[in-house]
Amino acid sequence: DVQMTQSPSYLAASPGESVSISCKASKSINTYLAWYQEKPGKTNKLLIYSGSTLQSGTPSRFSGSGSGTDFTLTIRSLEPEDFAVYYCQQHNEYPLTFGSGTKLEIK
Amino acid sequence: QVQLKESGPGLVQPSETLSLTCTVSGFSLTSYSVSWVRQPSGKGPEWMGRMWYDGDTAYNSALKSRLSISRDTSKNQVFLKMNSLQTDDTGTYYCTRDPRYYSAPFDYWGQGVMVTVSS
Repeated sequence: DVQMTQSPSYLAASPGESVSISCKASKSINTYLAWYQEKPGKTNKLLIYSGSTLQSGTPSRFSGSGSGTDFTLTIRSLEPEDFAVYYCQQHNEYPLTFGSGTKLEIK
Repeated sequence: QVQLKESGPGLVQPSETLSLTCTVSGFSLTSYSVSWVRQPSGKGPEWMGRMWYDGDTAYNSALKSRLSISRDTSKNQVFLKMNSLQTDDTGTYYCTRDPRYYSAPFDYWGQGVMVTVSS
């Protein structure tokens, strides 16, 4: 199975700042990496797939980059609604696997 | 709009079988696949298996011996059955909508149902 290592597990930032979250795969997954946002009381939201393709409705302040084993989610100019938990997930091979999550909190 | 809703018992006895239903609306089960994903509290999600749009299934090998996924397209429902439950099967269980291609992410999620395995 492809192991997904996400870091940091916890991140504190202020609105207006930019942050980056890393996700590393234990083997190459080409560009098949998705990012999800989890917020209390809401269903999980697909933000980005195939490494850098924004899902319809995802604000342009979100961006994804990377290929092979190393990927990054960047959020520019944080908005109050961006404080949430973020998960990466490889969709290259089965079984599909997730990272352990990054909790982004307001500083 | 696209909606998925999981339902099932909140409490299951150890060694018993878990049965969950995912009822979907806003799309056809013959056009999209549906996965089951679970998440223990405080941990990352785990993909359990997928009902493909064409009726085929795929399972996580770690769960395959205990897991069965089926569907009723006339009722817009996908079912999960998992036997021999243990306490580490406790968590929130989600169904997701998946585009029909092989390397598809999960583009919509249900709200999830909490399942506790305890006597």
